[in-house]
Amino acid sequence: QVQLQESGPGLVKPSETLSLTCTVSGGSISTYFWNWIRQPPGKGLEWIGYIYSSGSSNYNPSLKSRVTMSVDTSKNQFSLKVSSVTAADTAVYYCARGTRYSSGSSVWYFFDSWGQGTLVTVSS
Amino acid sequence: DIQMTQSPSSLSASVGDRVTITCRASPSISSYLNWYQQKPGKAPKFLIYAASSLQSGVPSRFSGSGSGTDFTLTISSLQPEDFATYYCQQSYSTPYTFGQGTKLEIK
Repeated sequence: QVQLQESGPGLVKPSETLSLTCTVSGGSISTYFWNWIRQPPGKGLEWIGYIYSSGSSNYNPSLKSRVTMSVDTSKNQFSLKVSSVTAADTAVYYCARGTRYSSGSSVWYFFDSWGQGTLVTVSS
Repeated sequence: DIQMTQSPSSLSASVGDRVTITCRASPSISSYLNWYQQKPGKAPKFLIYAASSLQSGVPSRFSGSGSGTDFTLTISSLQPEDFATYYCQQSYSTPYTFGQGTKLEIK
């Protein structure tokens, strides 16, 4: 049973860079897509992007200019950086495993394992 | 971006009730639709993929249907542990997007 755990500062100052790491245990980081998803307090879910175990990535255009993701397969970890943060970046940040499942001619994609989430507050 | 709209935003029901939550996509997403359940203070839990395929371990009282633009999540007989917020999510194209959520409350 794979488990994911986010870690990083819970408080970041405006204009600085938010940095989080997700540690994957109970399974390999290879052959999956590793996602970051956030949820502002009391609001819905927003997909930030993913990084594949090979290092290829795909970011949400709404955040693309400020987001960088990386993966360290030797440590079974992947990371998120969001630069120039504002109060609008205050949210619970989740890491999640993205699985691609092929059936016939279709390839389904879903987030089947999630970390518990970590609240990041942007405030001076 | 593909827009996902859920209705209702909130719903009150009793244990044993049958409930249906609707999710509409714009534009069409074929059957690339997933459902998640989220309880307060917890991460979302994956329930259904491909609009109607139950994830392993999910109780059979949950079912999904639909294709194209209109989808439903049905819980056939509500149990106390089912009171939560439900989200649909499209995996047709990036950026992946979620509905705004439907909060299922106890009547």
